[in-house]
Amino acid sequence: DVQLTQSPSSVSASVGDRVTITCRASQDISRWLAWYQQKPGKAPKLLIYAASSFQSGVPSRFSGSGSGTDFTLTITSLQPEDFATYHCQQANSFPITFGRGTRLEIK
Amino acid sequence: EVQLLESGGGLVQPGGSLRLSCAASGFTFSSYGMSWVRQSPGKGLEWVSAITGSAISTNYADSVKGRFTISRDNSKNTVSLQMNSLRAEDTAVYYCAKEDSYEGANWFDSWGQGTPVTVSS
Repeated sequence: DVQLTQSPSSVSASVGDRVTITCRASQDISRWLAWYQQKPGKAPKLLIYAASSFQSGVPSRFSGSGSGTDFTLTITSLQPEDFATYHCQQANSFPITFGRGTRLEIK
Repeated sequence: EVQLLESGGGLVQPGGSLRLSCAASGFTFSSYGMSWVRQSPGKGLEWVSAITGSAISTNYADSVKGRFTISRDNSKNTVSLQMNSLRAEDTAVYYCAKEDSYEGANWFDSWGQGTPVTVSS
């Protein structure tokens, strides 16, 4: 199984800040990684797929990069609605696996 | 607009059974794979099971293999998860998710609101 290690597990930031979250895979998954945003009590929302492709409607302040085993999600100019938990997911092979999540909190 | 509506969650005793259903609308249901993903209280997401659009192929997480069965009815636009021999560690919110795929890779572009399952005596 592909293990995904997300870091940090939590981060505090202010509105307007730039934040980077990383996801490391235990084996090469090419570009087959997705990122989700989840707010309390809500279902996850797809932000990025295939490492760097935007899901329709996602603001351009979100971006993804990486390939192989190392991936990043970057949020530039944080907005109040961005404070949430972010999950990475490998889409390369079954079983599909997720990272443990990164909680983005307001400083 | 894609809509996924889960039902069937509830409280069940250890060793018991439960059947979850997900009613889909807003897309050509038979053209897309579907998955169930769960989230235990305060924990991360765990993929549970997937089924292809034609229902020819299914996959399961090791943690549920042999106990859970995924199925779909393309005439009714529904996907179901039959859960048997339930354990306390199966307690979670269960989400139905629509897959999008490319070159064999699968991610989830639409999710239901989730249905809670509690396994406790």
